[in-house]
Formats: sequence, C-alpha cells, structure tokens
Amino acid sequence: QVQLQESGPGLVKPSETLSLTCAVSGDSISSDYFWGWVRQPPGKGLQWIGNIYHTGSAYYSPSLKSRVIISLDTSKNQFSLKFISVTAADTAVYYCARSRPYYDLNDLRGGPFDYWGQGILVTVSS
Amino acid sequence: DIQMTQFPSTLSASVGDRVTISCRASQSISNWLAWYQQKPGKAPKLLIYRASSLEGGVPSRFSGSGSGTEFTLIITGLQPDDFGIYYCQQYGRFPRFGGGTNVEIK
Repeated sequence: QVQLQESGPGLVKPSETLSLTCAVSGDSISSDYFWGWVRQPPGKGLQWIGNIYHTGSAYYSPSLKSRVIISLDTSKNQFSLKFISVTAADTAVYYCARSRPYYDLNDLRGGPFDYWGQGILVTVSS
Repeated sequence: DIQMTQFPSTLSASVGDRVTISCRASQSISNWLAWYQQKPGKAPKLLIYRASSLEGGVPSRFSGSGSGTEFTLIITGLQPDDFGIYYCQQYGRFPRFGGGTNVEIK
C-alpha cells in the first residue's frame, strides 16, 4: 500500500521560506511516476503547485514558478517543496501526491493523482 | 492556461437519486480529465481518470463521460456516503482543478 506523509512547520513568517517534505512508503520515488504538490487555501478549491518526475525533471504552475522548487531525495525516499517569499495568501493545506505518467503525442506529462498524503496546514503569519 | 468550470456549485439530492455534475474546459483537453471526491478534513480521492475510466476500488455507481471541452460525472443511485465536494481536474501541461461541486444529501 502506497502511503505519503507530509512534514514541516505549521507556521511560517511572511517573506520567509516554506519547506515541506513528503515521505513515501510502499513505493520508490525512483519508480516511473511523477510526485507532486497540491494546495488548498482554507475553505477554497485545489491548486496544483508542481510535479517532479523520477528522473528529476520538474514542472511548475506558471503562476508560482518563480517562487517554487521541488526536489527528490532518493536516499530517504522522499521529495520536498520549497516556497520562497511567502505571504498570507500562501496559507493553505499542502498535499503531496503521486501522479501517473502518460504521453500526449510525444510529451511526457503527469496524469491523475492516485495516492495522496493527509495534508499539512501551513499558516503564514507574523 | 486552460480554465475549468464546474456546475452546479452546490446540489442537494436524496438517497437513490441520479446526480449529474458537469465540467467544462476553456479549450479542448481531449480526454485528459479526472474526477475526485473530497470529504471534510481529508485528501481528495481519485474516482475517474481519462474522463471515463473507473479507478480501482471505486463503486460502479460512479461513471464519467465526455471529451474535448464537455465532461460529466454521474452518480447512479446516490448513497449516504457520497456527500462531499467533487472536483474535476484537467491534467494537461499545466494541471488545473475545477471550482468544485458540493453534494449534500437531503
């Protein structure tokens, strides 16, 4: 059974960097999947942040790209999210998830998210 | 950037009803569409992928259809456990979710 578990601080100050880790069990992050992050502001809908393929190639939401880095740590079977210069608008539940790859013509893309972590609430406040 | 519009935003139905949720893409996404169910305080759960393929372990009362820009999720015979918010998601180059449909049980 694949399981994902987010960890990190629940409170971050404005202008600082938000760092989260997703520990994966029951699968290897080196297997043929994408690993991604999705967030949900309180009471609102879901927003895709980005994905990283097992090769290390990362893809980001255009609206967040300038502030986000997703990376893999194969030695610990986990992947991470770094979000710089956060503001109150970045307050959300952050989910990590596994995404099945697919090919659209010749483009490799991340598909549906089939396994999710339980989510971690991160509040940006001084 | 492909926008996803879901409707209705809220619906109330009785146990046993047939429920239809619609999702529209701002441009064609072929059939690269998924549906999720989310319950309060929980992560979303994948129900349907590739517009009409049922995810393993999901009850057969859930079905999906559509291609291009118009998609539908149907629950045939609503059950008490089916309450929650349903999201469509296009998973093209830049994935995006619809705004959600809150399904309430009468």
